[in-house]
Amino acid sequence: EPEVTQTPSHQVTQMGQEVILRCVPISNHLYFYWYRQILGQKVEFLVSFYNNEISEKSEIFDDQFSVERPDGSNFTLKIRSTKLEDSAMYFCASSRGRDGYTFGSGTRLTVV
Amino acid sequence: GQSLEQPSEVTAVEGAIVQINCTYQTSGFYGLSWYQQHDGGAPTFLSYNALDGLEETGRFSSFLSRSDSYGYLLLQELQMKDSASYFCAVYGGATNKLIFGTGTLLAVQP
Repeated sequence: EPEVTQTPSHQVTQMGQEVILRCVPISNHLYFYWYRQILGQKVEFLVSFYNNEISEKSEIFDDQFSVERPDGSNFTLKIRSTKLEDSAMYFCASSRGRDGYTFGSGTRLTVV
Repeated sequence: GQSLEQPSEVTAVEGAIVQINCTYQTSGFYGLSWYQQHDGGAPTFLSYNALDGLEETGRFSSFLSRSDSYGYLLLQELQMKDSASYFCAVYGGATNKLIFGTGTLLAVQP
C-alpha cells in the first residue's frame, strides 16, 4: 500500500525559531496538502498545492508559512519564527483527485 | 464558507450498529467524505459520496442526501478497534481542499 511519509515524527523548537517539516507524497498523486490539528480539535486546512504552485491557502497560512516542492518527491512546510500557538500535529496529505486523501502519520510540533 | 456539524460523542457496545450523522452548509458541494482517526494517528479515508444514496464497504456504509445537506456513516458489527474519532468532510471547491467537521468520538464498550 503506497504511503505518505513525514519527517520528523516529533519536533521541539524554541519560540522564534524556524522549522521545516518534510513530506514525501505518493508518487502518482497530483494534489498535495498540509493540515494541522491542535490537540483535541478538528483537522484544519492550511494549504493545497498543485502543478508546482499553491492552489489555495487558508487564513491560517499567513506570511509565516511557506511550502516548497524542491525536487520531484519532497514537499516541505516551513514555519518562520514559530509561536507557542503553532504547537500542533501537522499532517501532509496527497490525492489524485476527490477520491480520497492519503495522510501521513504527522509531525508533532511543540514550541516552547 | 463551509460548516459541518456532528455529535461530539457516541457510545455503543460490541456487535451493535451505530450511526454518526453529519449536516453541512457549503457554498458549493463536491462530495462528502468520512475519515477515521485513532488517537494520535493519521486520518484514514473511509468513504466518499458524490451522489445521493448509500455506499457500502464491508462493515461500513455511508449515506448522502444532497437535498437535505445531510449524510451519515453507519458502522455495523462494532468491534473494539472501531473506537476512534470519525470526521465528516466536504470538498471546498475546485482545489480539492477538504473541510473537516469537529469529529465524533466513538467509544465501543464490551
